[in-house]
Formats: sequence, structure tokens, C-alpha cells
Amino acid sequence: AQSVSQHNHHVILSEAASLELGCNYSYGGTVNLFWYVQYPGQHLQLLLKYFSGDPLVKGIKGFEAEFIKSKFSFNLRKPSVQWSDTAEYFCAVNAGNNRKLIWGLGTSLAVNP
Amino acid sequence: DADVTQTPRNRITKTGKRIMLECSQTKGHDRMYWYRQDPGLGLRLIYYSFDVKDINKGEISDGYSVSRQAQAKFSLSLESAIPNQTALYFCATSAYSGGIQYFGAGTRLSVL
Repeated sequence: AQSVSQHNHHVILSEAASLELGCNYSYGGTVNLFWYVQYPGQHLQLLLKYFSGDPLVKGIKGFEAEFIKSKFSFNLRKPSVQWSDTAEYFCAVNAGNNRKLIWGLGTSLAVNP
Repeated sequence: DADVTQTPRNRITKTGKRIMLECSQTKGHDRMYWYRQDPGLGLRLIYYSFDVKDINKGEISDGYSVSRQAQAKFSLSLESAIPNQTALYFCATSAYSGGIQYFGAGTRLSVL
């Protein structure tokens, strides 16, 4: 069965630290890849996506992600986090002809000022 | 105004009661979804609909039912609520399978 794995469940960083959140999926064909963010008390919103083309994609608020097909990975990065990045981050994948998104369990990020 | 609107935002109910959560959207999307979110379990799909006549069970549909009254409206019902249905419920829409999903603000449901 298709699955999405987010390796880090809870991450605590200080402001200005660099961030990398891991996401791996299990599917060998064409994929659409997403990172969503959920700020405290809010709904999920799209951070960035990859459908095709340049495997390095840039999203809102200085986030970027790199699609590495050979590693089935789509890791999220930010060079310097801010307190306002405190949120839960979800990786999601649509694989092949699947009618649904497959979601990771999420990573809770806390940034200390 | 929000593109995806959920009502109510918060609801407290008792075990055994029937409850309906509503979702409406102005994005013109055919595809609509209902998820529940529990701490540590991420998002789990309850039901999804690709048009008014196309409704499908998700991974955790037991104890839930849905109605797609129109392209813009997709309601979730708990026929007889139980405490383990206490969760945060989200509605989402998308223009096509595999596309970006747009979420409502969520309904926080407590079943006592």
C-alpha cells in the first residue's frame, strides 16, 4: 500500500536555526507532492507543491523542498526559522491514478524565541 | 469570505445524539473531502465525493455518513455520536484528483 513517512514527530529549534523535515513515500511512479502547514488553532494551508519540472521548489515564507526521485523523498527546508514558524507540518502525496492524497502523520515544530 | 466554510466551528454533544457538520464552498470545485484530525494520527479521510452522484468511503467511514446536496455542499453526519468521535473535523475541496486541497477552518467536536 502507498504510504508517506515523516521521520520527525516533534522538533524544537531556536530562532535562526536551520530546519529540515524529512518526508519519504512509497510509490515508484509519477507523484504530486505537497507540504501543508497548520498554525496553532488554524486550518491547513498549502506551503508548497511539486508536480513536475525543477525538483527544487520554493514556497511561502522562505520554505523550500527538494524532490529526489531516487530516494523517494521530498524534504522541507528553511535556512533560518522564526518563532512564527511554530506549527504542524504535513507531507502529502498523490500517486499515479489514486483519487486521494496520502498524508504523513505530521511533524510538530516549536521555535523558541 | 472564506472559500470553504464549515459550520458549526465548535460543538459539544452527548453520546447517542445525531449530529450534522456542514461544509460549503465557493471555489467551484467538484471534489470534496471530509477528514478528522486526532493528535499524533494526522489526517484521516472519512468520505470523499467527486460529484453529487459519486460518493466514496475513506479509511474510517464507520459511524459516519455523508450527503452531497449540491456541488457546493457536502455534509457529514454522525448518526449516533460516541466519545471516540471527539476530534477536529476538516472539510476540503480540490479541482481535480491529485490537485491542491483547500481546507475549511475546521469543526471541533466533543462527544460527552
